[in-house]
Amino acid sequence: QLQLQESGPGLVKPSETLSLTCTVSGGSISSRSYYWGWIRQSPGKGLEWIGSMFYSVNTYYNPSLKSRVTISVDTSKNHFSLKLTSLTAADTAVYYCARHSSRATDSWGQGTLVTVSS
Amino acid sequence: QPVLTQSSSASASLGSSVKLTCTLSSGHSTYIIAWHQQQPGKAPRYLMKLEGSGSYNKGSGVPDRFSGSISGADRYLTISNLQFEDEADYYCETWDSNVWVFGGGTKLTVL
Repeated sequence: QLQLQESGPGLVKPSETLSLTCTVSGGSISSRSYYWGWIRQSPGKGLEWIGSMFYSVNTYYNPSLKSRVTISVDTSKNHFSLKLTSLTAADTAVYYCARHSSRATDSWGQGTLVTVSS
Repeated sequence: QPVLTQSSSASASLGSSVKLTCTLSSGHSTYIIAWHQQQPGKAPRYLMKLEGSGSYNKGSGVPDRFSGSISGADRYLTISNLQFEDEADYYCETWDSNVWVFGGGTKLTVL
C-alpha cells in the first residue's frame, strides 16, 4: 500500500528557505505512471497546488510561486523534496506531498505544518 | 487555466442525500475532475475521478454512497444516506498543461 510521509522543520524564520522531504513507500518514485507533487493549505483556507514532477526529470510549478520553488528527487532514497525560498508569514501552511495518477491526485501524505515566524 | 467554482457551504440531514456542485470555467466544460474529502483536522482523501463522459472511478474504500455525475460544465458529487462522518470539506480538482487547480471547497454540515 502506497504511503507518503512529509518531513522537515515545523518553524522557519522569515526570509529563510523551507526544505521539506516526502518519503514514498509501497511504490517507486521512478515509475513513468505517476506524477509526484506538493500541495499546501493555509490555516482555514483551501488547497493550493505548489508544483509537481514527472519521471524524476520534468518539473512543473504554480506560476504564482514559480520564482521561489524547486522540486527535486533522490531516486536512491525514493523520496522527493521541496524548497521554497524567501519565506513570509503568508507561507505558513500545512504542506502535503501527493501522487497524481492519470493527473488526478489519488494519494496524499498526512501533511506537515510549517509556521513562518521569527 | 481552468477555474473551478464551488459553493462555500451546504447542509443536509442525517440519512438524506446531498448533491455538491463544482463548475468549470468557460472553455473548459469537458475537463476531467477529481473529488476529495477533508474531514476536520485530517489530510484530504481522494474520492473519485469524474470523466467528461460522466463515468467515474472511485478510490479504494470509498463507500457506495458516494457517486458522481455531470451536466454541461457542472460536476457533481452526490452523497446518499448521509452519515455524521460525511461532515467535511469537499474539494474538486482539475489540471491542464501540467498545472493543477483546486476549487475553493464546500463545507458540508450534516444536521
